[in-house]
Amino acid sequence: QVQLVESGGTLVKPGGSLRLSCAASGFSFSDYSMTWLRQAPGKGLEWVSCVTSGGTTYYADSVRGRFTISRDNAKSSLYLQMNSLGAEDTALYYCARDPFEYSSSWVFDSWGQGTLVTVSS
Amino acid sequence: EIVMTQSPATLSVSPGERATLSCRASQSVNYNLAWYQQKPGQAPRLLIYYASTRATGIPGRFSGSGFGTEFTLTISSLQSEDFALYYCQQYNDWPRLTFGGGTKVEIK
Repeated sequence: QVQLVESGGTLVKPGGSLRLSCAASGFSFSDYSMTWLRQAPGKGLEWVSCVTSGGTTYYADSVRGRFTISRDNAKSSLYLQMNSLGAEDTALYYCARDPFEYSSSWVFDSWGQGTLVTVSS
Repeated sequence: EIVMTQSPATLSVSPGERATLSCRASQSVNYNLAWYQQKPGQAPRLLIYYASTRATGIPGRFSGSGFGTEFTLTISSLQSEDFALYYCQQYNDWPRLTFGGGTKVEIK
């Protein structure tokens, strides 16, 4: 079955950097668009970034220029490089998969359990 | 940015009763609307996409309707496992995806 396991979340100081990873299994990773979303403590959901199966990337305005999404299909892994972190980036970061191969439907049928990023001095 | 507004914020329902959740978009999203369920400590679960298509494995008691700016998620007969938080998400304006603030369905 589809499994997504995020890692890399930790406490980081304002202005710092962090790289999140998402290990995928149970499906043909290279065939699917993959996305990062986040949820601040006690708050709602926010879309962060997406990389299509073809490698096209998209970013929310709130992170463009600071975050970089990438994928390694050979390792079935998704990454999010986060720079210039601020308190507003504190959240549980989820990796999620598009339901359909070779498309970007912009909905998410499989999610990991999330990795917590806390930005604080 | 398309703003998604969900109502009510909290819905108190007895088991076995029907629950009706609303989601309104600040401008038309056509039928590009999804619903998710989230339980405490868990990731969201996709219930409905294209406003009314149930995702794989979702029970038939969940149904979605609407088009344009007004959408509804109906749970026909609430089961104990349905008490949770529900979010709507528009994807008409991709990649500028936006979510509603959520409706909590609690036991009455």
